[in-house]
Amino acid sequence: GAVVSQHPSWVICKSGTSVKIECRSLDFQATTMFWYRQFPKQSLMLMATSNEGSKATYEQGVEKDKFLINHASLTLSTLTVTSAHPEDSSFYICSARDRDSRGDTEAFFGQGTRLTVV
Amino acid sequence: AQKITQTQPGMFVQEKEAVTLDCTYDTSDPSYGLFWYKQPSSGEMIFLIYQGSYDQQNATEGRYSLNFQKARKSANLVISASQLGDSAMYFCAMREGIGGGNKLTFGTGTQLKVEL
Repeated sequence: GAVVSQHPSWVICKSGTSVKIECRSLDFQATTMFWYRQFPKQSLMLMATSNEGSKATYEQGVEKDKFLINHASLTLSTLTVTSAHPEDSSFYICSARDRDSRGDTEAFFGQGTRLTVV
Repeated sequence: AQKITQTQPGMFVQEKEAVTLDCTYDTSDPSYGLFWYKQPSSGEMIFLIYQGSYDQQNATEGRYSLNFQKARKSANLVISASQLGDSAMYFCAMREGIGGGNKLTFGTGTQLKVEL
């Protein structure tokens, strides 16, 4: 299957700092990327849908000013957690859809980023 | 209402046995897709199998098969000949509508443990 690379795989940052997470589609172009958050032993919760060249669509309850999403190219979307606090500690994972795929095919996931805010 | 329901928080199965992981869904959209993903402790999401709402036959991928019962709105995953490496969290997910931009909604997952 197609490859989605997410970086970094883990990060520890101090409270109040910002952290950027990258999601890259390595062998396909992705017009749409999704960002999810997962707390321990819980399900994936969609945070936002990122469309290339336009503003991201955030799910209800997700602060757009805190979780900045940029999708400047067909192969890269970034999630920046601004002014991070300990409650932002979580597992963040992205997925991407192949622009040329049929509508009913899978979304490919990155490896995920484990964020710890201390 | 929950769109995806997985009622088994944890399951045990003996090696080489088959196991069924339950998933029911709720949608009014006639076009939808159902997915199963495996998430090992490393966190990555591994795609296992897909079933489209208009597919006439149950999907199969190697040791994985999807028991799709449309009238009952269930999409159970069957893993045959379980292996120790199958121990992981399994998520059922649904995409409503047809389109590359439609999001996936996940169930709460089932933790599968394969024992010797």
